[in-house]
Amino acid sequence: DAKTTQPNSMESNEEEPVHLPCNHSTISGTDYIHWYRQLPSQGPEYVIHGLTSNVNNRMASLAIAEDRKSSTLILHRATLRDAAVYYCILRGRDDKIIFGKGTRLHILP
Amino acid sequence: DAGVIQSPRHEVTEMGQEVTLRCKPISGHNSLFWYRQTMMRGLELLIYFNNNVPIDDSGMPEDRFSAKMPNASFSTLKIQPSEPRDSAVYFCASSKTSTYEQYFGPGTRLTVT
Repeated sequence: DAKTTQPNSMESNEEEPVHLPCNHSTISGTDYIHWYRQLPSQGPEYVIHGLTSNVNNRMASLAIAEDRKSSTLILHRATLRDAAVYYCILRGRDDKIIFGKGTRLHILP
Repeated sequence: DAGVIQSPRHEVTEMGQEVTLRCKPISGHNSLFWYRQTMMRGLELLIYFNNNVPIDDSGMPEDRFSAKMPNASFSTLKIQPSEPRDSAVYFCASSKTSTYEQYFGPGTRLTVT
């Protein structure tokens, strides 16, 4: 399975934008980039996914590099409720997704 | 929609006992996944089903673990016999093949003493 690399942890101030980076230099042409997050004591929650173009939804934006070897999850205005572990995952042709260690995001009030 | 339903939410059992975890996926979803989460190993995919058929069970730790999906609305994960190292939170997730977004249940926290 293709691997992703994320920082172990990040901090951000409340009400400011957050940019969570992810490197995936071994991505194949058919791999989708998925982001999930896990709030404390809950199951993971789907955030967003994309293939080549940047994507926006009500939760976040996903910016994908032109060579697809990296991507950035953008939370436009972080709140305390966004404190979670964020996972960047590559999904191939099947339904399987493999979680790495993710980035633990701390939001400072 | 009620989301993915898992039961029990908490299970405490003694080593050697049989444990059965249950999952009801979201109606209309045709893929179902079982995960295990521990501090040491993080989130691990154990097995997944598509249209009630097991597709990949390479993550199942050993023969003590088995999973079934007798119909589209129910799945079980059984551990027999259980061991202390099986203590973890077990998550069930479901998805539609057409969208691939997985929806996770609240998890079952298993403690084996």
